Amino acid sequence: GNSVTQMEGPVTLSEEAFLTINCTYTATGYPSLFWYVQYPGEGLQLLLKATKADDKGSNKGFEATYRKETTSFHLEKGSVQVSDSAVYFCALSPQGAQKLVFGQGTRLTINP
Amino acid sequence: GAGVSQSPSNKVTEKGKDVELRCDPISGHTALYWYRQRLGQGLEFLIYFQGNSAPDKSGLPSDRFSAERTGESVSTLTIQRTQQEDSAVYLCASSYPGGPSEKLFFGSGTQLSVL
Repeated sequence: GNSVTQMEGPVTLSEEAFLTINCTYTATGYPSLFWYVQYPGEGLQLLLKATKADDKGSNKGFEATYRKETTSFHLEKGSVQVSDSAVYFCALSPQGAQKLVFGQGTRLTINP
Repeated sequence: GAGVSQSPSNKVTEKGKDVELRCDPISGHTALYWYRQRLGQGLEFLIYFQGNSAPDKSGLPSDRFSAERTGESVSTLTIQRTQQEDSAVYLCASSYPGGPSEKLFFGSGTQLSVL
């Protein structure tokens, strides 16, 4: 079946640290891959996406590369800020299906 | 409205009672999704509506769960004879046609607590 596995949280970093949140997936065919973010008190919102192998999604300094050979879509940021504190969800859309399959979420806290 | 609106924001009910959750999608969004998020877990797909097509109900966990949507407007998720394991945040999302590769806009959710 289709599934997404995310790095266990919570993750706590200092401001300006390098961030990696690991995400691996299981899917048949060629899914689309996403990172969604939920800031405190807000609804989930799309952070970035990649729809085919080797694509790189980027937004707000975050990047993730669709790696089919390792079935991964790790989220990275070179220098995090306090405002990046949120819960991050990795997700996939199976090829030909009309739904998103989410990982369990990773809570990120950035300390000043 | 400006975003996806869900009501109520919080609902406390007794085991065995029925509950109805409401979702107002963004105007013009033909696709509408319901998800459930149990504490500490990921989002679990429940049901998907796209225009006037038959909904994808493959994620509904039991026949106690049902959802309706009239045209491209409001959707209601009904849970009959609630159980304690139904306690979760129920999230609604909408998007333009094109499936999940289009950006989904989520509501703030309804926190359901079954005592």
